[in-house]
Amino acid sequence: DTGVSQDPRHKITKRGQNVTFRCDPISEHNRLYWYRQTLGQGPEFLTYFQNEAQLEKSRLLSDRFSAERPKGSFSTLEIQRTEQGDSAMYLCASSRTNEQFFGPGTRLTVL
Amino acid sequence: TQLLEQSPQFLSIQEGENLTVYCNSSSVFSSLQWYRQEPGEGPVLLVTVVTGGEVKKLKRLTFQFGDARKDSSLHITAAQPGDTGLYLCAGGPAGGGADGLTFGKGTHLIIQP
Repeated sequence: DTGVSQDPRHKITKRGQNVTFRCDPISEHNRLYWYRQTLGQGPEFLTYFQNEAQLEKSRLLSDRFSAERPKGSFSTLEIQRTEQGDSAMYLCASSRTNEQFFGPGTRLTVL
Repeated sequence: TQLLEQSPQFLSIQEGENLTVYCNSSSVFSSLQWYRQEPGEGPVLLVTVVTGGEVKKLKRLTFQFGDARKDSSLHITAAQPGDTGLYLCAGGPAGGGADGLTFGKGTHLIIQP
């Protein structure tokens, strides 16, 4: 059973550094989503792709956030010039229908 | 902006008791999904309900979607310590398109042996 995988699982960085996270979706899923979850909150939708097309990116938190899915398979989420407020769990999900399946997340800590 | 309110936020009960948690909104959703999340892990999908008034059962868990597709409930019968976790409800976009889910803040459930 190959579910959604994310790498790394944990990332500690210093303020001002750039970070990149990777998501590998379930192989037959053409839709891929990124969410952010902070302590005590539910996941917050950031962006999504259908195949390689990014169909929604207005919810990305600032212009420091960007995402790519160049070949319609894996995706990357980059945060430039990280701030302490970026510390959170970053979750990826994939779907073929209206059901989204989540990966284990990447926990980001910005010092 | 679509919002989902979950209640209660925290619930601690004894093993064997029954409980119900609620997910309410003033907005209509195309679907409603329930997830369970363990600390440090991603949410795990439990069920999806799509039709107003729909009821689905998963062993001791019963899920209901409101007639107007604005609210949902999760009922657990004879709760067990293994049911402990964060229960999240999430609504699909009203138009039914492939957009992000709107999540509630979750109900933290603790089942004490």
